[in-house]
Amino acid sequence: NAGVTQTPKFQVLKTGQSMTLQCAQDMNHEYMSWYRQDPGMGLRLIHYSVGAGITDQGEVPNGYNVSRSTTEDFPLRLLSAAPSQTSVYFCATFKREGAKNIQYFGAGTRLSVL
Amino acid sequence: GENVEQHPSTLSVQEGDSAVIKCTYSDSASNYFPWYKQELGKRPQLIIDIRSNVGEKKDQRIAVTLNKTAKHFSLHITETQPEDSAVYFCAASIPTDAGNMLTFGGGTRLMVKP
Repeated sequence: NAGVTQTPKFQVLKTGQSMTLQCAQDMNHEYMSWYRQDPGMGLRLIHYSVGAGITDQGEVPNGYNVSRSTTEDFPLRLLSAAPSQTSVYFCATFKREGAKNIQYFGAGTRLSVL
Repeated sequence: GENVEQHPSTLSVQEGDSAVIKCTYSDSASNYFPWYKQELGKRPQLIIDIRSNVGEKKDQRIAVTLNKTAKHFSLHITETQPEDSAVYFCAASIPTDAGNMLTFGGGTRLMVKP
């Protein structure tokens, strides 16, 4: 049981390049989400998904696309990278237990856009 | 939407002293309040949480209190140790049709001096 797996761990892009950050989970959790973490800004929600075929925007969705064709995978796409997207990205699943919403985070992807 | 404010942004204490981190939230519909610890370069890890029907919860040296009327909740760490040094995040969760979404505070960097 690997939990939440993110690849790559590090990435450097040039402005205008595109790439996909991968996220896979083996816990059969319905809900998955992507956050970005900037210094002093905490974690901000980019996009989330409540199940295969369903995605929605979070707090900071501009510049990012997502899809959820399977329960296991939730890739995040940067269509045209910008320096403002330099950040650490975390994928997370969450499991609802009554009123609790327990998040399981991946190890993160550190992205630099030059 | 929900807004979570966290204070202080940095906190330095002497080993053995207590540390208190405070958060306020804006949406009275929030019903679940987790706290995460993030060590340098690692993913956030859930350390304690509290539901809206409980006023206080304790787990060894860590306790969390919730005041629903005032819409604030706090993390208390007693007998601090150097390994408690990390960034701590509070979060508030609102139940929606799509599921419980977490909004994070900006984080508190705790430094425990030996």
